[in-house]
Amino acid sequence: AQSVTQLDSQVPVFEEAPVELRCNYSSSVSVYLFWYVQYPNQGLQLLLKYLSGSTLVKGINGFEAEFNKSQTSFHLRKPSVHISDTAEYFCAGIGSNYKLTFGKGTLLTVNP
Amino acid sequence: DAGITQSPRHKVTETGTPVTLRCHQTENHRYMYWYRQDPGHGLRLIHYSYGVKDTDKGEVSDGYSVSRSKTEDFLLTLESATSSQTSVYFCAINGGPRNTEAFFGQGTRLTVV
Repeated sequence: AQSVTQLDSQVPVFEEAPVELRCNYSSSVSVYLFWYVQYPNQGLQLLLKYLSGSTLVKGINGFEAEFNKSQTSFHLRKPSVHISDTAEYFCAGIGSNYKLTFGKGTLLTVNP
Repeated sequence: DAGITQSPRHKVTETGTPVTLRCHQTENHRYMYWYRQDPGHGLRLIHYSYGVKDTDKGEVSDGYSVSRSKTEDFLLTLESATSSQTSVYFCAINGGPRNTEAFFGQGTRLTVV
């Protein structure tokens, strides 16, 4: 059973608009949650992580995510996107023995 | 950048041949992972290791085996390559509770013809 689910495979938005990329996790992962970004033809880069503490996590490039235990969600947000944010975004979680599992990814396309 | 190197970076091989991909790290991290990335499937875990000689299967382990005889190296072997194993393979490392960020290699593009 998939332990991390990204609800949207593609999200098109216009430049300077806000965006939310949705991620839900199951009980098979611990509450160590991550968002990674992959630009075209590149490897993966960590955007942000939630380990404990404040449920609002700030990451690089103006992104932030909110951990919601009651809704088992960890949605990624940015108030105003740029063309350069066009990339694929992956939500991930850690389970037992530090098994790191990814969602299927969300392709964010920012249009002018 | 984290010290993680995958080799080879590109490989073309014939159906039925064995192939070994190498992941080498210089970070002394305990946890290592092999993923494959295919369009529409994201990153799927093949195998992972939680210590020397300690490995476990991921969600797409059929046709793959791994070995980890020392901390720095994690080998992925395709026992008899098939066209369905054409993919981009990524290795990742993770330091565990005190360093939970996973670092990724640059990937290996494998084509099975």
